[in-house]
Amino acid sequence: DIVMTQSPDSLAVSLGERATINCHSSQSVLYKSNNKNYLAWYQQKPGQPPKLLIYWASTRESGVPDRFSGSGSGTDFTLTISSLQAEDVAVYYCQQYYGTPLTFGGGTKVEIK
Amino acid sequence: QVQLVQSGAEVKKPGASVKVSCKASGYTFTTYCVHWVRQAPGQGLEWMGIINPSGGSTTYAQRFQGRVTMTRDTSTSSVYMELSSLRSEDTAVYYCGRDGVRGPTWIDSWGQGTLVTVSS
Repeated sequence: DIVMTQSPDSLAVSLGERATINCHSSQSVLYKSNNKNYLAWYQQKPGQPPKLLIYWASTRESGVPDRFSGSGSGTDFTLTISSLQAEDVAVYYCQQYYGTPLTFGGGTKVEIK
Repeated sequence: QVQLVQSGAEVKKPGASVKVSCKASGYTFTTYCVHWVRQAPGQGLEWMGIINPSGGSTTYAQRFQGRVTMTRDTSTSSVYMELSSLRSEDTAVYYCGRDGVRGPTWIDSWGQGTLVTVSS
């Protein structure tokens, strides 16, 4: 199984500041035949199901604010919130779909400083 | 709009089985695979498997093999997840979710979740 490791476990950021979340996969999730990274990011608020933010490592889902961006390739990925808003307080998960079983990172809790 | 509506909370005794339903609407049911993901209290997300509603084919996570069965009913646009031989560690919120493409990839729409509590 591909193990997904997120860091940090939690972070506190001031409103309007940048938040950066890292995700590392135990093997590359870059499919060389199409040069796509099989990685997605989700946001989960308390008592709610996860919400898709990004797929193919950097493609924003329709309706997701452009302050959310994804980057990285191979085994190391980053989710960046460029200017943290109060409504961004949540737990964020990365997920690989390179192979089954699909696996998720352990989550990163984002709070307001 | 795409909507996945799950059945209500369940309380089961150890050793019993539970069957959770997920009714889809707002899209062509047989076009997209459906995942099942669970989340234990205060924990992260765990993928259980996927079903293709078109032909009913399934792929299960190895750790659930032999205990989980995913089925579908195209007449009602519903998918079902049955988990048997329940133990306390199976206490979790169970989510269904629609695959983003042809599967298995990302999950672009999620059900509201079904809390399954296993307790004697």
